[in-house]
Order: sequence, then structure tokens, then C-alpha cells
Amino acid sequence: DAKTTQPTSMDCAEGRAANLPCNHSTISGNEYVYWYRQIHSQGPQYIIHGLKNNETNEMASLIITEDRKSSTLILPHATLRDTAVYYCIVGPYGSGNTGKLIFGQGTTLQVKP
Amino acid sequence: EPEVTQTPSHQVTQMGQEVILRCVPISNHLYFYWYRQILGQKVEFLVSFYNNEISEKSEIFDDQFSVERPDGSNFTLKIRSTKLEDSAMYFCASSEDGNIYNEQFFGPGTRLTVL
Repeated sequence: DAKTTQPTSMDCAEGRAANLPCNHSTISGNEYVYWYRQIHSQGPQYIIHGLKNNETNEMASLIITEDRKSSTLILPHATLRDTAVYYCIVGPYGSGNTGKLIFGQGTTLQVKP
Repeated sequence: EPEVTQTPSHQVTQMGQEVILRCVPISNHLYFYWYRQILGQKVEFLVSFYNNEISEKSEIFDDQFSVERPDGSNFTLKIRSTKLEDSAMYFCASSEDGNIYNEQFFGPGTRLTVL
């Protein structure tokens, strides 16, 4: 089972920041937080990942709390094309460390005009 | 920009038939994966593949499934005797240089319909 909890759905106005929360209270010290998104049954798309520090790239920012039990993905200026299911994933899992991703149900973000 | 490609985009087959789903990972990538997504459900891990062998597989990946890297470019998923419940989108993914913390690049998927 996924080790994360996300709201089922969220709305955001176009041009505004979208803040997507994720709880991962059982995260262990060597596990990263990854965010992927899936636009309308396309293949999932990597957004960003982090371990302890906040991260920013051209797509988004990732804010991880100091205790690492939760994080927030920020899309600074959401567009209609950002409408998608957003997955918060903690991993990699297991002693084998094969990099497998365990997807939960994710958050369906609807960006509205 | 390099991308993962998958063929066919849609495969229709009869129950009990064998199917082979094909993927071309990004050329310098070393880790390869198959995931599936039944309609309306979450994306599920099937198998990971590294150094020409399976490194991990899920409970879904039973004896009916196999993977192969027959040459330097293709990565295939074979289902020997398809069942109705194998109907799903199958996604191939790859990641580079053996660092498992790197992002995985997903293909567009193959929609498998078993009749």
C-alpha cells in the first residue's frame, strides 16, 4: 500500500498557485518524496523529488516539513494544462532498492478558467 | 528530447492468447520497469529489470508474465495466456545510470483489451 495520504480532489483558479498537500508520517530516513502527475490516462510524468531540503525546478517547488512527515507541491502559476492527477510517492521501497514506485490514488487537480 | 516509446498503442486479443507489448526505453538508461493501470484504478508496479535480469516483481507478475530485453533497444512484456482481468493500460518506464533515485520516464502506454 502507498505510504502517503492525499486529498482526493482540489480546484485551483487559472494563474493562481496550486498547493497540493501530502502526508507521509511513516517515512523513513533514506526515503525520498517524489511527485508525479498523470494527465488523462497518459503515462505518469515526473515533476520533482526531495529528501530533506526544499526543491525547485522549472515545473514546481517542493516544500518538505522539518520532521519530513508532510510535504507540499506548489505549482506557482497553474494553467489549464496542469489539470491532472498528482501523485505523492515515498520511496524507493525495500532492501532491494530497485526504484519501484508505489502509486496511491493521488489528488485530482482541476484548474478552472 | 528523448522519450520512451511503446507499441502498439492499442492491442485487442482473445482470452487465452499470447500478447507481447513492446517498449523502447531511452537509449542510455539502465533500469527498466513495467506498470499497469486498470481503468479507473491506480497505477500498479509489475516488474523492474536491471543488468538483464528481473530485480523485483510484484504479486501481480505471476508465471503468465515474462520480460525480455532481446537486443540493445527493446524491452518487452509477454503475457502467455491472457485473461479478461489483464485488460488494462500497460506503461513502460526507464531511468538512467543505475541511480535508483533518478526520475523514471514513462511511455505513453499500450491499452490491452482482452475479449
